[in-house]
Amino acid sequence: AQSVTQLDSHVSVSEGTPVLLRCNYSSSYSPSLFWYVQHPNKGLQLLLKYTSAATLVKGINGFEAEFKKSETSFHLTKPSAHMSDAAEYFCVVRGRDDKIIFGKGTRLHILP
Amino acid sequence: EADIYQTPRYLVIGTGKKITLECSQTMGHDKMYWYQQDPGMELHLIHYSYGVNSTEKGDLSSESTVSRIRTEHFPLTLESARPSHTSQYLCASSEEQGDWLDSPLHFGNGTRLTVT
Repeated sequence: AQSVTQLDSHVSVSEGTPVLLRCNYSSSYSPSLFWYVQHPNKGLQLLLKYTSAATLVKGINGFEAEFKKSETSFHLTKPSAHMSDAAEYFCVVRGRDDKIIFGKGTRLHILP
Repeated sequence: EADIYQTPRYLVIGTGKKITLECSQTMGHDKMYWYQQDPGMELHLIHYSYGVNSTEKGDLSSESTVSRIRTEHFPLTLESARPSHTSQYLCASSEEQGDWLDSPLHFGNGTRLTVT
C-alpha cells in the first residue's frame, strides 16, 4: 500500500522569493510520483513527474522536484515565485497496483 | 492544452432532477476516472473504467452511475440530484498500454454542480 503526505496545507511566499512545497510518500515498491497544479475553477495540470530515471526532475513554469529515496520525499521547488503561481498543488503517487493516491493539497499564496 | 472535455462547466439544478455530466477524450486512452472535489479540498475517486464496458466504483461511495460504451466517452449520471451532491466533478484519463505506471492523468476542466 502507498500513501502521500503534503506537509503544509498553506504556504505563503513573497513574489521573487523561493518556493518549497513539501511531499513525503510511502510505498512498498518504487512508485511513480507526480506534481499537479490547480488554478481556481480549473482541472489539474501536470507540472512534472518522476519515473525512476533522473532524481532531479524539471517541469513546466520553472518548477522542479527532487526524488530522495532515503527521505521518502519529493519536494517541489521554484527559485523565484511569480504571482501567477498562486494555486493549489497536489502531490500524487502511483504504484504498481495501479492505485493513484492524491495528497490533500497545498495552497500557495504569493504576496506582492 | 487538455484533450479531455467536460460539459457543462457549471450547472445549477433543482432537487430531484436527473442529470448527466459529459466527459470525452480524444487521446484514445483506455483508462478513465471520475473524481469528486469539494472547494479547496482533496480529490476523491468515485468511478473508474479500464475500457469499453468496464466500470468500477472508486474509494468514495457515490449515488452516481457511469457507463463506457465508447472508448472516448465516459458520462456520469445522477438519477435524482440532492443538495449533498453539490461539488466539483473532475474527469481524467490515462494510458493503459506500455509504461502505464509512468503515465500521468490528464484532467478536464471540471463541472461545478450546484443542487438547490
